[in-house]
Amino acid sequence: AQSVTQPDIHITVSEGASLELRCNYSYGATPYLFWYVQSPGQGLQLLLKYFSGDTLVQGIKGFEAEFKRSQSSFNLRKPSVHWSDAAEYFCAVAPTSGTYKYIFGTGTRLKVLA
Amino acid sequence: KAGVTQTPRYLIKTRGQQVTLSCSPISGHRSVSWYQQTPGQGLQFLFEYFSETQRNKGNFPGRFSGRQFSNSRSEMNVSTLELGDSALYLCASAGETSNYGYTFGSGTRLTVV
Repeated sequence: AQSVTQPDIHITVSEGASLELRCNYSYGATPYLFWYVQSPGQGLQLLLKYFSGDTLVQGIKGFEAEFKRSQSSFNLRKPSVHWSDAAEYFCAVAPTSGTYKYIFGTGTRLKVLA
Repeated sequence: KAGVTQTPRYLIKTRGQQVTLSCSPISGHRSVSWYQQTPGQGLQFLFEYFSETQRNKGNFPGRFSGRQFSNSRSEMNVSTLELGDSALYLCASAGETSNYGYTFGSGTRLTVV
């Protein structure tokens, strides 16, 4: 079955500390991979995406993610967290067929301590 | 350019009623998808419309339906509302030829009482 697993429901880090959010997927073939962020009461904003090529992708707000095919993982990282990064983060996969039917993970809620 | 616009932002309905939610995609986007977000189930795909045709459908009962107009605006309808339909309904639009990622609206918060 196709699925996306975000094993950490909540993560708390201090401002200025590094961050890594984990994402593992189960899919028939290598899908397109995405990370989105959601602030309370808002929709989702695309942080970054992986289609092919370089396995380290850069996104907005200083985020990056690394695709590891052997581990079926697409972990999100940021070297220094800012208080404004507190939000919920969702990993998602989509088929490469060109149609839009995403499977989202259950999300990781990030809390940032001042 | 304007983002994805969803109306209304908030709705309170009574069990058994029906509701219609509206979504205006980014100009030029022909794909519109709908997702339901709840604390228990997370984000679940409802359906996707492209050029007025339903291209994909999730695992929701027939009470959930949608349509897309020639200007790409989309509506979703939920009939015979149940308490469990209380959720944030998110609309997302995208370009037509590749998975460059959705642009989401801010959602409609539906509360069924």
